Amino acid sequence: KNQVEQSPQSLIILEGKNCTLQCNYTVSPFSNLRWYKQDTGRGPVSLTIMTFSENTKSNGRYTATLDADTKQSSLHITASQLSDSASYICVVSASGNTPLVFGKGTRLSVIA
Amino acid sequence: DAGITQSPRHKVTETGTPVTLRCHQTENHRYMYWYRQDPGHGLRLIHYSYGVKDTDKGEVSDGYSVSRSKTEDFLLTLESATSSQTSVYFCAISGTAGLGQETQYFGPGTRLLVL
Repeated sequence: KNQVEQSPQSLIILEGKNCTLQCNYTVSPFSNLRWYKQDTGRGPVSLTIMTFSENTKSNGRYTATLDADTKQSSLHITASQLSDSASYICVVSASGNTPLVFGKGTRLSVIA
Repeated sequence: DAGITQSPRHKVTETGTPVTLRCHQTENHRYMYWYRQDPGHGLRLIHYSYGVKDTDKGEVSDGYSVSRSKTEDFLLTLESATSSQTSVYFCAISGTAGLGQETQYFGPGTRLLVL
């Protein structure tokens, strides 16, 4: 069964610190992996997308990595800000016309 | 929210009543989706549409129906609401490349409470 597992479930960090969120997937055949950010009370917004041949992608202070061999991805947030407080969702797409597979998300809280 | 609106944004209803949620897009995207989001679950696909009058079931379609009579509008209907359908419902849109092959853009969500 296609699945996406994220860890940790929740995380609290101090403003200015770095953090890394993890995503493991069993989706096959793999097409692409996206990280979404979801602020409380709002819809998810895409941060990055990576295909099989890409192993890193940056979007400002967000850097995503992908290891297609081990089926793992990470999202690294540098110099965190209070506005980074949100849920981060890992989403994997299989090849062909199949629905996206969503992780349950990691809830990040950045405190002053 | 990428030219996507949902209405209503909040709704409280009673068990057994019909409920219709509306999604409206101004992006002229081909694909439209309805998801639900519940604690302890990832977003789950209810139904999706790949064109006017073309719809298909998702992972959790029981108890829901959809209609798309215009490119810009996608309606989700709960024929007889149950408490298990209490959830946050998100509409999403994407272009022409198929279900998972293009980035999906999400609306702001509708919070539904069924008493």
